[in-house]
Amino acid sequence: EVHLVESGGGLVKPGGSLRLSCAASGFSFSYYTMNWVRQAPGKGLEWVACINSNANFIDYADSVKGRFTISRDNAKNSLYLQLNSLRAEDTGVYYCARDPGNILVLPAAIDAWGQGTSVIVSS
Amino acid sequence: DNVMTQSPDSLAVSLGERATINCKSSQSVLYSSNNKNFLAWYQQKPGQPPKLLIYWASTRESGVPDRFSASGSETDFTLTISSLQAEDVAVYYCQQYHSLPLTFGGGTKVEIK
Repeated sequence: EVHLVESGGGLVKPGGSLRLSCAASGFSFSYYTMNWVRQAPGKGLEWVACINSNANFIDYADSVKGRFTISRDNAKNSLYLQLNSLRAEDTGVYYCARDPGNILVLPAAIDAWGQGTSVIVSS
Repeated sequence: DNVMTQSPDSLAVSLGERATINCKSSQSVLYSSNNKNFLAWYQQKPGQPPKLLIYWASTRESGVPDRFSASGSETDFTLTISSLQAEDVAVYYCQQYHSLPLTFGGGTKVEIK
């Protein structure tokens, strides 16, 4: 069974930093494109970033470009998101999400989501 | 960016009745080389992550009840719940995966009348 478990969220002041982690199990992590998707309180879903299986393709939403960094460690079956220069509007639940396709050739619908980790940016 | 617009924002339907949700994309999500629409539907219940219901615009994910169906092509799509059950109360999102950035509709909240 596919499991994605996020961690690393918390309360941080504007301008601060956090590092989110996602531990994957139950599938061959190194073969999959992975995404971060966030959801502000009471709002809809917003894609944040993606990274392909061998990390040679990465992309970000304009709203986080230059402040967030996605990375992965296939040996540890882990996905990461470094959040810098945090703003109040970055507050929300951050989900780790699996794309079973090939983002460069034939992307697919996100077919697995973690339970999410909460980030609160407030003074 | 491909903007996804859902309607209505919310709807209340009696148990056993039909619920219909619409989704319109600002750009076509049809990939001509394989004739597939890169459009998915997700269900999100309170306090839970989204769950994939439909991909390629009309293919049900394994385990999804057949009362859920979807159709559409290029820019106009529909999700139908043929006979609403109590466990279907949720917010439903459409999403395009044809191009980056991935984009989601604003969501449609389905409640029991």
